[in-house]
Amino acid sequence: GAGVSQSPRYKVAKRGQDVALRCDPISGHVSLFWYQQALGQGPEFLTYFQNEAQLDKSGLPSDRFFAERPEGSVSTLKIQRTQQEDSAVYLCASSLGVRGGIGSSSYNEQFFGPGTRLTVL
Amino acid sequence: TQLLEQSPQFLSIQEGENLTVYCNSSSVFSSLQWYRQEPGEGPVLLVTVVTGGEVKKLKRLTFQFGDARKDSSLHITAAQTGDTGLYLCAGSWAGSYQLTFGKGTKLSVIP
Repeated sequence: GAGVSQSPRYKVAKRGQDVALRCDPISGHVSLFWYQQALGQGPEFLTYFQNEAQLDKSGLPSDRFFAERPEGSVSTLKIQRTQQEDSAVYLCASSLGVRGGIGSSSYNEQFFGPGTRLTVL
Repeated sequence: TQLLEQSPQFLSIQEGENLTVYCNSSSVFSSLQWYRQEPGEGPVLLVTVVTGGEVKKLKRLTFQFGDARKDSSLHITAAQTGDTGLYLCAGSWAGSYQLTFGKGTKLSVIP
Protein backbone atom coordinates (compact mmCIF):
# COMPACT_ATOMS: atom_id res chain seq x y z
CA GLY A 1 0.00 0.00 0.00
CA ALA A 2 0.93 3.65 -0.23
CA GLY A 3 1.26 4.25 3.48
CA VAL A 4 1.31 2.62 6.88
CA SER A 5 -2.03 1.14 7.86
CA GLN A 6 -3.25 0.08 11.29
CA SER A 7 -6.23 -1.86 12.49
CA PRO A 8 -8.51 -1.57 14.25
CA ARG A 9 -8.72 2.23 14.33
CA TYR A 10 -10.65 2.11 17.60
CA LYS A 11 -10.75 -0.55 20.28
CA VAL A 12 -12.71 -0.60 23.50
CA ALA A 13 -11.72 -3.28 25.99
CA LYS A 14 -12.89 -4.20 29.44
CA ARG A 15 -10.18 -4.19 32.07
CA GLY A 16 -8.46 -7.56 32.08
CA GLN A 17 -9.11 -8.38 28.43
CA ASP A 18 -6.32 -9.08 25.96
CA VAL A 19 -6.04 -6.96 22.80
CA ALA A 20 -4.07 -7.27 19.57
CA LEU A 21 -3.22 -4.29 17.39
CA ARG A 22 -2.04 -4.73 13.82
CA CYS A 23 0.37 -2.68 11.71
CA ASP A 24 1.03 -2.99 7.97
CA PRO A 25 4.18 -0.99 7.16
CA ILE A 26 5.17 0.56 3.86
CA SER A 27 6.32 -2.18 1.49
CA GLY A 28 10.09 -2.57 1.53
CA HIS A 29 10.64 -0.72 4.79
CA VAL A 30 13.12 -2.57 6.93
CA SER A 31 12.43 -0.83 10.23
CA LEU A 32 9.20 -0.80 12.19
CA PHE A 33 8.44 1.09 15.38
CA TRP A 34 5.62 1.17 17.90
CA TYR A 35 4.86 4.29 19.92
CA GLN A 36 2.31 5.11 22.60
CA GLN A 37 0.71 8.57 22.66
CA ALA A 38 -1.20 9.72 25.71
CA LEU A 39 -3.73 12.51 25.38
CA GLY A 40 -2.02 15.87 24.92
CA GLN A 41 1.46 14.38 24.76
CA GLY A 42 3.99 13.50 22.10
CA PRO A 43 4.44 9.85 21.11
CA GLU A 44 6.69 7.73 23.31
CA PHE A 45 8.81 4.89 21.98
CA LEU A 46 7.79 1.34 22.81
CA THR A 47 9.75 -1.04 20.60
CA TYR A 48 11.72 -1.38 17.35
CA PHE A 49 12.14 -4.11 14.74
CA GLN A 50 14.68 -4.47 11.99
CA ASN A 51 13.09 -6.99 9.66
CA GLU A 52 11.85 -9.77 11.97
CA ALA A 53 14.33 -9.06 14.74
CA GLN A 54 13.17 -7.07 17.75
CA LEU A 55 16.27 -5.02 18.46
CA ASP A 56 14.93 -2.74 21.17
CA LYS A 57 12.00 -3.25 23.51
CA SER A 58 13.18 -0.90 26.22
CA GLY A 59 10.06 1.26 26.00
CA LEU A 60 7.52 -1.47 26.71
CA PRO A 61 5.94 -0.43 30.03
CA SER A 62 5.43 -3.92 31.44
CA ASP A 63 5.63 -7.61 30.62
CA ARG A 64 1.97 -7.43 29.66
CA PHE A 65 3.09 -5.79 26.41
CA PHE A 66 4.41 -8.02 23.65
CA ALA A 67 5.21 -7.27 20.01
CA GLU A 68 6.13 -9.47 17.09
CA ARG A 69 6.96 -9.21 13.40
CA PRO A 70 7.46 -12.86 12.42
CA GLU A 71 7.99 -12.43 8.66
CA GLY A 72 9.55 -9.00 8.70
CA SER A 73 6.50 -7.16 7.39
CA VAL A 74 3.23 -7.05 9.35
CA SER A 75 3.60 -6.48 13.08
CA THR A 76 1.25 -7.10 16.00
CA LEU A 77 1.32 -5.38 19.38
CA LYS A 78 -0.41 -7.44 22.02
CA ILE A 79 -1.45 -6.20 25.43
CA GLN A 80 -2.48 -8.80 27.98
CA ARG A 81 -4.79 -8.16 30.92
CA THR A 82 -5.40 -4.56 29.90
CA GLN A 83 -5.49 -1.87 32.58
CA GLN A 84 -7.06 1.60 32.47
CA GLU A 85 -3.62 3.21 32.26
CA ASP A 86 -3.10 1.41 28.95
CA SER A 87 -5.70 3.72 27.36
CA ALA A 88 -3.86 5.69 24.68
CA VAL A 89 -3.29 5.93 20.95
CA TYR A 90 -0.87 3.30 19.69
CA LEU A 91 1.08 4.44 16.66
CA CYS A 92 3.07 2.33 14.26
CA ALA A 93 5.80 3.80 12.05
CA SER A 94 8.09 2.37 9.41
CA SER A 95 11.29 3.58 7.79
CA LEU A 96 13.77 2.49 5.18
CA GLY A 97 16.19 1.96 8.05
CA VAL A 98 19.46 0.34 7.13
CA ARG A 99 18.70 0.50 3.43
CA GLY A 100 18.58 4.26 3.59
CA GLY A 101 22.18 4.34 4.68
CA ILE A 102 23.56 5.83 7.85
CA GLY A 103 24.02 9.58 7.48
CA SER A 104 21.51 9.97 4.68
CA SER A 105 18.51 12.15 5.32
CA SER A 106 16.23 9.21 4.62
CA TYR A 107 17.99 7.03 7.14
CA ASN A 108 15.58 7.43 10.00
CA GLU A 109 12.62 9.19 8.40
CA GLN A 110 9.68 7.47 10.01
CA PHE A 111 6.26 7.38 8.42
CA PHE A 112 3.35 6.91 10.75
CA GLY A 113 0.05 5.12 10.49
CA PRO A 114 -3.21 6.66 11.71
CA GLY A 115 -2.98 4.88 15.05
CA THR A 116 -5.29 2.70 17.09
CA ARG A 117 -7.15 4.46 19.89
CA LEU A 118 -7.45 2.01 22.77
CA THR A 119 -9.92 2.71 25.55
CA VAL A 120 -9.90 0.40 28.57
CA LEU A 121 -13.01 0.61 30.72
CA THR B 1 17.10 9.74 29.20
CA GLN B 2 17.36 12.21 26.34
CA LEU B 3 15.06 15.19 26.78
CA LEU B 4 13.69 17.35 24.05
CA GLU B 5 11.94 20.57 25.05
CA GLN B 6 9.47 22.23 22.75
CA SER B 7 7.96 25.69 23.16
CA PRO B 8 5.48 27.19 23.30
CA GLN B 9 3.08 24.42 24.26
CA PHE B 10 0.04 26.36 23.02
CA LEU B 11 -0.19 29.13 20.45
CA SER B 12 -3.27 30.96 19.25
CA ILE B 13 -2.82 33.56 16.53
CA GLN B 14 -4.80 35.48 13.94
CA GLU B 15 -4.71 34.46 10.32
CA GLY B 16 -1.91 36.30 8.51
CA GLU B 17 0.43 36.51 11.51
CA ASN B 18 3.87 34.92 11.70
CA LEU B 19 4.99 32.47 14.38
CA THR B 20 7.99 30.47 15.49
CA VAL B 21 8.14 27.18 17.38
CA TYR B 22 11.32 26.07 19.14
CA CYS B 23 12.83 22.68 19.90
CA ASN B 24 15.85 22.33 22.21
CA SER B 25 18.01 19.63 23.73
CA SER B 26 21.23 19.48 25.74
CA SER B 27 22.43 16.65 23.49
CA VAL B 28 23.54 16.66 19.86
CA PHE B 29 21.05 15.23 17.39
CA SER B 30 22.11 12.99 14.53
CA SER B 31 18.89 14.02 12.79
CA LEU B 32 15.77 15.96 13.63
CA GLN B 33 12.32 15.77 12.15
CA TRP B 34 9.26 17.99 12.29
CA TYR B 35 5.81 16.46 12.12
CA ARG B 36 2.28 17.84 12.00
CA GLN B 37 -0.55 15.88 13.57
CA GLU B 38 -4.27 16.46 13.23
CA PRO B 39 -6.86 15.03 15.65
CA GLY B 40 -7.48 11.32 15.08
CA GLU B 41 -4.55 10.94 12.71
CA GLY B 42 -0.92 9.94 12.96
CA PRO B 43 1.94 12.43 12.67
CA VAL B 44 2.78 13.47 9.11
CA LEU B 45 6.44 14.11 8.33
CA LEU B 46 7.16 17.68 7.22
CA VAL B 47 10.95 17.78 7.03
CA THR B 48 14.18 16.09 8.14
CA VAL B 49 17.33 18.04 8.93
CA VAL B 50 20.72 16.43 9.47
CA THR B 51 23.38 19.13 8.89
CA GLY B 52 24.20 21.85 11.41
CA GLY B 53 23.08 25.26 10.14
CA GLU B 54 20.77 23.72 7.60
CA VAL B 55 17.72 25.71 6.46
CA LYS B 56 14.86 24.08 4.60
CA LYS B 57 11.75 25.73 3.22
CA LEU B 58 8.41 24.15 2.54
CA LYS B 59 6.12 26.82 1.07
CA ARG B 60 5.41 29.18 4.00
CA LEU B 61 7.28 26.99 6.50
CA THR B 62 10.97 27.53 7.22
CA PHE B 63 12.95 25.02 9.27
CA GLN B 64 16.33 25.76 10.79
CA PHE B 65 18.78 23.39 12.42
CA GLY B 66 21.20 24.95 14.89
CA ASP B 67 24.90 25.02 14.07
CA ALA B 68 25.61 22.75 17.04
CA ARG B 69 22.73 20.42 16.11
CA LYS B 70 21.14 20.80 19.53
CA ASP B 71 18.19 22.97 18.56
CA SER B 72 15.78 23.66 15.76
CA SER B 73 13.00 26.08 14.89
CA LEU B 74 9.95 26.11 12.70
CA HIS B 75 8.79 29.47 11.37
CA ILE B 76 5.44 29.91 9.65
CA THR B 77 4.86 33.04 7.59
CA ALA B 78 1.35 34.43 7.11
CA ALA B 79 -0.40 31.62 8.96
CA GLN B 80 -3.59 30.21 7.51
CA THR B 81 -6.44 28.38 9.22
CA GLY B 82 -5.27 25.21 7.49
CA ASP B 83 -2.04 25.38 9.51
CA THR B 84 -3.99 24.56 12.68
CA GLY B 85 -2.70 21.38 14.29
CA LEU B 86 -0.16 19.84 16.64
CA TYR B 87 3.45 20.41 15.60
CA LEU B 88 5.94 17.89 16.93
CA CYS B 89 9.70 17.87 16.77
CA ALA B 90 11.45 14.53 17.08
CA GLY B 91 15.13 13.84 17.40
CA SER B 92 17.33 10.84 17.12
CA TRP B 93 20.76 10.56 18.62
CA ALA B 94 23.85 8.75 17.40
CA GLY B 95 23.50 5.01 17.78
CA SER B 96 19.76 5.16 18.38
CA TYR B 97 16.99 4.32 15.96
CA GLN B 98 14.11 5.50 18.08
CA LEU B 99 12.70 9.00 17.87
CA THR B 100 12.30 11.07 21.00
CA PHE B 101 9.44 13.52 20.66
CA GLY B 102 8.80 16.84 22.27
CA LYS B 103 5.40 17.39 23.87
CA GLY B 104 4.27 19.34 20.85
CA THR B 105 2.96 22.82 20.08
CA LYS B 106 -0.77 23.05 19.63
CA LEU B 107 -1.35 25.81 17.07
CA SER B 108 -4.72 27.42 16.51
CA VAL B 109 -5.04 29.90 13.66
CA ILE B 110 -8.15 32.03 14.02
CA PRO B 111 -9.81 33.48 10.91
